[in-house]
Amino acid sequence: RKEVEQDPGPFNVPEGATVAFNCTYSNSASQSFFWYRQDCRKEPKLLMSVYSSGNEDGRFTAQLNRASQYISLLIRDSKLSDSATYLCVVNTGNQFYFGTGTSLTVIP
Amino acid sequence: GVTQSPTHLIKTRGQQVTLRCSSQSGHNTVSWYQQALGQGPQFIFQYYREEENGRGNFPPRFSGLQFPNDSSELNVNALELDDSALYLCASSIQGTLNSGYTFGSGTRLTVV
Repeated sequence: RKEVEQDPGPFNVPEGATVAFNCTYSNSASQSFFWYRQDCRKEPKLLMSVYSSGNEDGRFTAQLNRASQYISLLIRDSKLSDSATYLCVVNTGNQFYFGTGTSLTVIP
Repeated sequence: GVTQSPTHLIKTRGQQVTLRCSSQSGHNTVSWYQQALGQGPQFIFQYYREEENGRGNFPPRFSGLQFPNDSSELNVNALELDDSALYLCASSIQGTLNSGYTFGSGTRLTVV
């Protein structure tokens, strides 16, 4: 079983739409959680950490459900510049485990 | 930040390759990842204070070194076609992973 599983998409949404990505992780001892964004042929960049109480950064909201081992990312009012691959990342021990990423294309 | 060299590289099957990374100053841990096309990054190994202290599911022909001057290397022997990928380096301070990683821009390796 993979450490982190994501729906690869692709998600194609119109500008202004709200879109949600989900991710599950297998190790209940995982300690910290993140969403990364990766543009085509570039390195992943940290988008936001995910906290148990849920956290928001502008149009982005992240949620963590430890009981269900589930992480989500909600993007409101999608912009063209949000088009990218979104990677769910889980830290267990000294290692970061990445999902395969979910591809988002925002259409004008 | 984290810098990697070279940015692109083409090698022939069976050859050996060395990829380089310069960590962020003061960071004592460096991790290497392999990202194949359409996949998420896969953990290769991690070095802390010049010793390997974690390894993913990669064969021994993947090896590394970490130097006291914030630089490190990833070496791959006997290259195979499936080694073609983006190789990412990330540095951090041991015990501070709650803040996430910062990656270098990667080396894109093509094996022909």
